[in-house]
Amino acid sequence: DAKTTQPPSMDCAEGRAANLPCNHSTISGNEYVYWYRQIHSQGPQYIIHGLKNNETNEMASLIITEDRKSSTLILPHATLRDTAVYYCIVRDMDSNYQLIWGAGTKLIIKP
Amino acid sequence: GAGVSQSPSNKVTEKGKDVELRCDPISGHTALYWYRQSLGQGLEFLIYFQGNSAPDKSGLPSDRFSAERTGGSVSTLTIQRTQQEDSAVYLCASSLERAGRNEQFFGPGTRLTVL
Repeated sequence: DAKTTQPPSMDCAEGRAANLPCNHSTISGNEYVYWYRQIHSQGPQYIIHGLKNNETNEMASLIITEDRKSSTLILPHATLRDTAVYYCIVRDMDSNYQLIWGAGTKLIIKP
Repeated sequence: GAGVSQSPSNKVTEKGKDVELRCDPISGHTALYWYRQSLGQGLEFLIYFQGNSAPDKSGLPSDRFSAERTGGSVSTLTIQRTQQEDSAVYLCASSLERAGRNEQFFGPGTRLTVL
């Protein structure tokens, strides 16, 4: 079973920041938080991952709470092309190469 | 360089027939993964290869499913005596190493329809 819970869908206005929440209350100390997204009819695409500290790359920022029980993916200036299903996954980096996928959040960017 | 490629992109077959799905990983990626995705669902892990060996086949749903990888590169997923419930998108991914600090790169998938 997936170790994360996410809202099934969200809307965001084009040009605004999209904030996607994820709960992972049972996360253990050596598990990372990964985010992928899947645009319609394509394979999933890696976005970002983190352990404890906040992370930022050219695509997004990842904010992880201090207790690590939840995180937020931030797309700073959403565009229509960011419409996709966003998956939050926790992963044991040392022993679990599997990605256990939940249902994700369907993010719709509206003009 | 080229990303992960999969063929065919679409496959329609009759119930009871065998099908072969192919995955070409990114050159140099030692780890290869097969997943399947039913409509509106997340991905379901099937099998993982490190090099040519498959240390974890636990995700294969039945003995009708098998996979092999040769030369540490191309992998083939075979489904024998296909059933309608096998209809799904079959996704392949590769990564640099098993430890997984590197992300998985996915192919576009093969959409399998069993009539």
